[in-house]
Amino acid sequence: GENVEQHPSTLSVQEGDSAVIKCTYSDSASNYFPWYKQELGKRPQLIIDIRSNVGEKKDQRIAVTLNKTAKHFSLHITETQPEDSAVYFCAATPMNRDDKIIFGKGTRLHILP
Amino acid sequence: DSGVTQTPKHLITATGQRVTLRCSPRSGDLSVYWYQQSLDQGLQFLIQYYNGEERAKGNILERFSAQQFPDLHSELNLSSLELGDSALYFCASSGWAGANTIYFGEGSWLTVV
Repeated sequence: GENVEQHPSTLSVQEGDSAVIKCTYSDSASNYFPWYKQELGKRPQLIIDIRSNVGEKKDQRIAVTLNKTAKHFSLHITETQPEDSAVYFCAATPMNRDDKIIFGKGTRLHILP
Repeated sequence: DSGVTQTPKHLITATGQRVTLRCSPRSGDLSVYWYQQSLDQGLQFLIQYYNGEERAKGNILERFSAQQFPDLHSELNLSSLELGDSALYFCASSGWAGANTIYFGEGSWLTVV
């Protein structure tokens, strides 16, 4: 079946440094890629998303890049802060197919003081 | 606040028992999803309903069942509970069949003792 692989499973970075989380997907029909952040014991929250008609999208310290040819997309967090510590999930889905959303297994990000 | 409401927030029950988790989607949303998240695990997709009809099925155990009612709220029934069913159960909703962004509720913590 279709799959989304996410790496790394755990990531530790020094406060102020950048963090990068990578995902690859198998369904070539996928063209919508959301990222969710889940703090401990809380619900996953959408933090940024990208559609296949663009290669990059930024929102303050967060950016997502997409390479449709290689079928991979990445989350970049710059100038990391303690509140960035959380589990991050990527997902991929074809547009107009809400029954096909597939999540990666998550990346636990630790921001070290 | 995502607008997705789940009850109860916490539940402790004994092995062999049956419980019902309830979800009210965001106002106007037609799709409801159920996910299971065990400790330090990813989001395991269970089932999706759209406007009262089952739309997609994941790795849902036969002991589990769900339904969506005419008012669009949904219930997840878990029976013959085992210790391994202890998890955080999330409900999520999205607007219509073509909507890709899903919004999660706060979750129901189930502990089976």
